[in-house]
Amino acid sequence: EIVLTQSPDFQSVTPKEKVTITCRASQSIGSSLHWYQQKPDQSPKLLIKYASQSISGVPSRFSGSGSGTDFTLTINSLEAEDAAAYYCHQSSSLPFTFGPGTKVDIK
Amino acid sequence: EVQLVESGGGLVQPGRSLRLSCAASGFTFDDSAMHWVRQAPGKGLEWVSGINWNSGSLGYADSVKGRFTISRDNAKNSVYLQMNSLRAEDTAFYYCAKAPVGSYFPFDFWGQGTLVTVSS
Repeated sequence: EIVLTQSPDFQSVTPKEKVTITCRASQSIGSSLHWYQQKPDQSPKLLIKYASQSISGVPSRFSGSGSGTDFTLTINSLEAEDAAAYYCHQSSSLPFTFGPGTKVDIK
Repeated sequence: EVQLVESGGGLVQPGRSLRLSCAASGFTFDDSAMHWVRQAPGKGLEWVSGINWNSGSLGYADSVKGRFTISRDNAKNSVYLQMNSLRAEDTAFYYCAKAPVGSYFPFDFWGQGTLVTVSS
């Protein structure tokens, strides 16, 4: 099983600040890595697919990078509405695991 | 408008069975792979199972293998999760999620979830 680890676990950020979340895979997964945002009491929402591909309707301040084992989700100029948990997810091999999540709080 | 509506959750005793349903609309269901993902209250996400557009299984999480079965009925635009031999650790919100047409991943739309509570 491919294990995904995320850092940090929690981040408290002021609006307009830049946020960087990392996801590391226990073995190479190419670009088969996706990012989801889950706001409190809501279902998850797709932010980035295949490491760096943008999703229609998602604000341009969200971007992704990386390949192999190391990936990054960047939120440029954080807005109050971005308070949420962020999860990475690999679709390279069964079982299709998620990272433990990173909670972003607004100061 | 894409809609995924889960149903069938509730309180069930350990060892019993439950069948979840997910009704889909607003997209070409016949050409879309579908998945179940669960989330224990206050915890992270866990992929449970997926199924392709031709009803071929995409696999199961080790934690549910041999107990859960995914299926779909394209005539009814629905996907199902039959859960047998339920355990306390199966307690979670169960989300139905779709993949883009012609792809298995990622999950580009999720339902609102249905809560399954396994307790005596």
